[in-house]
Amino acid sequence: DGGITQSPKYLFRKEGQNVTLSCEQNLNHDAMYWYRQDPGQGLRLIYYSQIVNDFQKGDIAEGYSVSREKKESFPLTVTSAQKNPTAFYLCASSLGQGGIGELFFGEGSRLTVL
Amino acid sequence: SQQGEEDPQALSIQEGENATMNCSYKTSINNLQWYRQNSGRGLVHLILIRSNEREKHSGRLRVTLDTSKKSSSLLITASRAADTASYFCATPNSGYSTLTFGKGTMLLVSP
Repeated sequence: DGGITQSPKYLFRKEGQNVTLSCEQNLNHDAMYWYRQDPGQGLRLIYYSQIVNDFQKGDIAEGYSVSREKKESFPLTVTSAQKNPTAFYLCASSLGQGGIGELFFGEGSRLTVL
Repeated sequence: SQQGEEDPQALSIQEGENATMNCSYKTSINNLQWYRQNSGRGLVHLILIRSNEREKHSGRLRVTLDTSKKSSSLLITASRAADTASYFCATPNSGYSTLTFGKGTMLLVSP
């Protein structure tokens, strides 16, 4: 079964703590993406990676960091510098460039800061 | 940078009725995509329409694209309660490396 797996599904964190969200895909896709979704809002792009060992900032990268050491993995770290981290985080992948083909999404990770 | 904007924000209909959602965008594109999101879940791709296409069908879905008006519409015919979800349009960024999503239309189909 090919797809994208995000974990954990729910995560609670205290203010001042860093947390890392996992995203793994077995679709052999080159490109991967992290989006943030707030209630009643669309998706906002945090970071994306088109190839291993390379990634670019999206529209709201401040307070977040990523790595792309393996093709199948694109973890997102929400740092203590992110002022309002409570949100629903979605990871996606695409075979080629994200602007010309379909994105495949994981089931999301819901982060709540206590 | 919001590119596509859906209208209406929310739509409530009865089973069997048709549902129409609209998307307007600002800059020239070579394709536009529609996605569906069930509550608390990830997005699922529905359909991609290219700039040289005016209309595209997939099952009960019909998508139109008017590049002169920079708008698209998604029609769901004979709606079912299972169609209850949020629907998003998505357009490429200027470098075609990513997609930009609108805020979505929340569709409620009552039995």
